[in-house]
Amino acid sequence: DIQMTQSPSSLSASVGDRVTVTCRASQSISNFLNWYQQKPGKAPKLLIYAASSLQSGVPSRFRGSGSGTDFTLTISSLQPEDFATYSCQQSYSTPLTFGGGTKVEIK
Amino acid sequence: QVQLQESGPGLVRPSETLSLTCIVSGGSVINGSYYWSWIRQPPGKGLEWIGYIYYSGSTNYNPSLKSRVTISVDTSKNQFSLKLSSVTAADTAVYFCAKTSFGVVITTDYYYYYYMDVWGKGTTVTVSS
Repeated sequence: DIQMTQSPSSLSASVGDRVTVTCRASQSISNFLNWYQQKPGKAPKLLIYAASSLQSGVPSRFRGSGSGTDFTLTISSLQPEDFATYSCQQSYSTPLTFGGGTKVEIK
Repeated sequence: QVQLQESGPGLVRPSETLSLTCIVSGGSVINGSYYWSWIRQPPGKGLEWIGYIYYSGSTNYNPSLKSRVTISVDTSKNQFSLKLSSVTAADTAVYFCAKTSFGVVITTDYYYYYYMDVWGKGTTVTVSS
């Protein structure tokens, strides 16, 4: 199985901050990497697919980048509604696997 | 647009079979552009992919659960289902169903990538006697 490791596991930030979350795959996954946002008690929401493609309806302040083993999710200017947990997921091979999540909290 | 709703018992006894259904509305399970997935999330933990099914009945399961999992599709009812046998407390989780879109990259071979773009709200299943 391909292991997905996210860092940090949590971070504190203020509204307006630029936030970066990192995801590393245990082997090369090309650009087959998705990012999800999840709020407490809710289902995950797709933000980015294929490493850098913005899902329809998702604000442009969310940006994904990377290929191979190292990927980044950047929120250019953190908004109050962005406080949530962010998870990466690889689809290079089955079983599809997720990272452990990064919780973005209010500073 | 497609919406998904999970249904099924919230409490399952150890060693019994967990059965959940995902009702699809606003779209058809027969749409060949999608797969239909099940994912779970134990309390306080990360997401785990269980498997997916295509409208034709073709399936792909997580090897860690493969011996206990069956995913099926009922095109007449526009829904798909999950059965997980011989459950233990470790199977206690929120279970989500998801519409799974895919794309293809053609280089020297065909590479398919998948992303779960519509999710149900999730249903909590507790395994306890």
